[in-house]
Amino acid sequence: AQKITQTQPGMFVQEKEAVTLDCTYDTSDQSYGLFWYKQPSSGEMIFLIYQGSYDEQNATEGRYSLNFQKARKSANLVISASQLGDSAMYFCAMRVGGGSNYKLTFGKGTLLTVNP
Amino acid sequence: DAGVTQSPTHLIKTRGQQVTLRCSPISGHKSVSWYQQVLGQGPQFIFQYYEKEERGRGNFPDRFSARQFPNYSSELNVNALLLGDSALYLCASSFPSGVGELFFGEGSRLTVL
Repeated sequence: AQKITQTQPGMFVQEKEAVTLDCTYDTSDQSYGLFWYKQPSSGEMIFLIYQGSYDEQNATEGRYSLNFQKARKSANLVISASQLGDSAMYFCAMRVGGGSNYKLTFGKGTLLTVNP
Repeated sequence: DAGVTQSPTHLIKTRGQQVTLRCSPISGHKSVSWYQQVLGQGPQFIFQYYEKEERGRGNFPDRFSARQFPNYSSELNVNALLLGDSALYLCASSFPSGVGELFFGEGSRLTVL
């Protein structure tokens, strides 16, 4: 079974500063993918960044980067230069396998608040 | 391009009733998944359909059922509603290639009284 753990129920950060949201995962599969999603109060889940288990380089997408430490089974999200619009719930998720299997296992999320 | 659309956005039902939620995927996406998100939790996988066939089912009772139509739209049905079924129901679609990221709709918020 797969499991995602997000130990930070809430995080606060000052505008323009960087913040790291923690995520650890557990799986016995060798092939898996890790995702981060943002959920504003509107409810829609917005895809941010992806890291494959065989990717050697940490993924980056604009102000988002994923600090992937495979041996520690961690996949932390780093948001640089925080903006007020970054205030939202953030979910880490994992996909195991491939092909047409699109099941994601999500963590409980971290509520990020960006202060002006 | 239109994203994933879901209807209705909000609905209120009473215990024992039945509900049908609808989802239209992004054009070209052949896979549709359903997730239940209870307040304060992450989404939980309910079903995945690909090319009109069920490809996965989460740990939900038989009261939950779904189907996918030839145009790739989907319906989620929940019978004999319980108070615990109150949640945000998210539909997601995905393209058959790439890393498999899911594109979510804004959800249908169900309240069971």
